[in-house]
Amino acid sequence: IVMTQSPDSLDVSLGERATINCKSSQSLLYSSNNKNFLAWYQQKPGQPPKLLIYWASTRDSGVPDRFSGSGSGTNFTLTISSLQAEDVAVYYCQQYYSSPMYTFGRGTKLGIK
Amino acid sequence: EVQMVQSGAEVKMPGSTVTISCKVSGYTFTDYHLHWVQQAPGKGLEWLGLVDPADGRTKYAEKFQGRVTMSADKSRDTGSMELRTLRSEDAAVYYCATESTTPGVFDLWGQGTMVAVSS
Repeated sequence: IVMTQSPDSLDVSLGERATINCKSSQSLLYSSNNKNFLAWYQQKPGQPPKLLIYWASTRDSGVPDRFSGSGSGTNFTLTISSLQAEDVAVYYCQQYYSSPMYTFGRGTKLGIK
Repeated sequence: EVQMVQSGAEVKMPGSTVTISCKVSGYTFTDYHLHWVQQAPGKGLEWLGLVDPADGRTKYAEKFQGRVTMSADKSRDTGSMELRTLRSEDAAVYYCATESTTPGVFDLWGQGTMVAVSS
């Protein structure tokens, strides 16, 4: 499954909304449980990725509520409602539908305008 | 505290073999699959494969099949990844990761091991 993110990079003013898109080459919605097998990660320079969201919209423990995930099927969005300086990072989507052949998007670099 | 601590950076010659280890603590090693992820310089994340520490079974990405071997030592709570016949494009940071909440969702990561390939 190919994961395509857009845009490649994005600059947003502090306090403004940031939106990152992710499209999969096939549906990530599993009909038996009605869940989308899609996760989002944040990676800061020199650090490993950090899980933000799974099941397309479930925040991981401790993740601020300004981060939200939405979408279903093949189209997904990560939204940061009010950008903070510490949110500068690269964001990746990942599908876990085709277990265990997991694939990631190429990443979206988020900066401050 | 849950941790995954990887071995240190490596510099390898083309054609040689690198082995990276990942020692876990704070959870039962055999409860979750251990995964390995590659990140080439300035590039994204690529899943290499997994090992099930409970029984040693492995699954590898097609791209690395035949060149990679993953293993797990239950007595040491340590997983390892061996990559053979190194080429320049294997220069990358390699991460171990695990999935303690949902299979396929990587919620715990090692700090990464940088591998340089140079003659």
